[in-house]
This record gives sequence, structure tokens and C-alpha cells, in this order.
Amino acid sequence: KAGVTQTPRYLIKTRGQQVTLSCSPISGHRSVSWYQQTPGQGLQFLFEYFSETQRNKGNFPGRFSGRQFSNSRSEMNVSTLELGDSALYLCASSGLTGGGSAEAFFGQGTRLTVV
Amino acid sequence: KQEVTQIPAALSVPEGENLVLNCSFTDSAIYNLQWFRQDPGKGLTSLLLIQSSQREQTSGRLNASLDKSSGRSTLYIAASQPGDSATYLCAVRASGSARQLTFGSGTQLTVLP
Repeated sequence: KAGVTQTPRYLIKTRGQQVTLSCSPISGHRSVSWYQQTPGQGLQFLFEYFSETQRNKGNFPGRFSGRQFSNSRSEMNVSTLELGDSALYLCASSGLTGGGSAEAFFGQGTRLTVV
Repeated sequence: KQEVTQIPAALSVPEGENLVLNCSFTDSAIYNLQWFRQDPGKGLTSLLLIQSSQREQTSGRLNASLDKSSGRSTLYIAASQPGDSATYLCAVRASGSARQLTFGSGTQLTVLP
């Protein structure tokens, strides 16, 4: 069974640009969450999507947005990039439903560097 | 707001030792707790998931316990090996509608050959 796939693995962007990251969850999983990991702040929750609807959002500015498609694949977009957006972006999928175990499985991440 | 703390921040042990990593959380209204391992520059690998109604889970040389009332979990690693060297993260999933994971800052483990 394939795991969570994130693309691309590495990105270098210039301040002011925008970027789109992609996440394909485990087959059958409908919940996709995004996290930002930095040395200073650790892992912080960005948002969660379930069946194409955003269910939760973390405390990040509106420059961070996302969406989920009917096949559960998700994308996150960061506009007007800042140096502080440099981080490892991790996607997690789970079968989180009313009665599921909700075990989270993570992808390998996308390393974004803003210069 | 849920806060998760992991102690110690770093740990170095000789190969073969048994060790315990600690995790504490402030809000006992949790859905589950999960332990992860992260190698440098990589994603997170799920080690053990404990549902809120469970007291412990075991997988191979790993055993995780959960005491919801005191807001604590421990990860016990038996007979440590150099390949166990990594950062271990504890994450709590809240109950209710906001079910995101809240992570501790991790314990960086080094097992010396």
C-alpha cells in the first residue's frame, strides 16, 4: 500500500513569489492535514481538509491557503513568500472519521527555501 | 490551549540500554496520542498510537503508556541500538471538532555503539 506522497521534495523560491505544494494521501484516507516544521517553532498545524472541506485552520496568515480535490489529493499554496516561510512542510493523512482510529501517516515533506 | 512537553530534550546512551522518553500534556480531553520518529531532514514515521481509552501499546522493542488523568505518556525502548538514533516526537490529538495534532518539541536520541 503506497504511503503519503509529497511533491516536490525540495524547492527554492525568491521572496515575493508564490508556491504550490502537493500531497497525495494513502488510498482511502479522506483527511489531509498540513504542518510547518521549523527549528525555532517545531511542528505547527496549518490546516485540515476532509472531503474537500477545510475543517480546521491553524494560526497562520491568509497567505497560506489550501484545497482538497475529489480524489482526496491536497495542495497548499503560499503567496508573497517571506524569508520566514523557509521550512519543512509536512502532509499527514488519516482515515479520521467518526469512528476511525485516526492514526496519522506523514509524507517525506517538502523542503522550501526562500531566498 | 493544549501544550505538549517532552523531557529530556536530548539523550545519549550506550548501545543495549533500556530507556524511557517522557511526554506530558495539559488538557486531558484527548482523542488519542501518537509517538513518531523523525530522522534528519525526513518525514515522521508513526511508531505507536494509543487511543484515549487504552493504557498502553506495544510494538517490538517499543512500549508506550498513557495516563490521561495525569496528562502523561512514556515511550519505553528496550535494548537500544544505534539505528534507534533519531528524534522522537509525541503528539496529542484533541477530542471534539478541532482534531489537529499538537506536537511536543521532541527528544533527540543518540545511541552510541
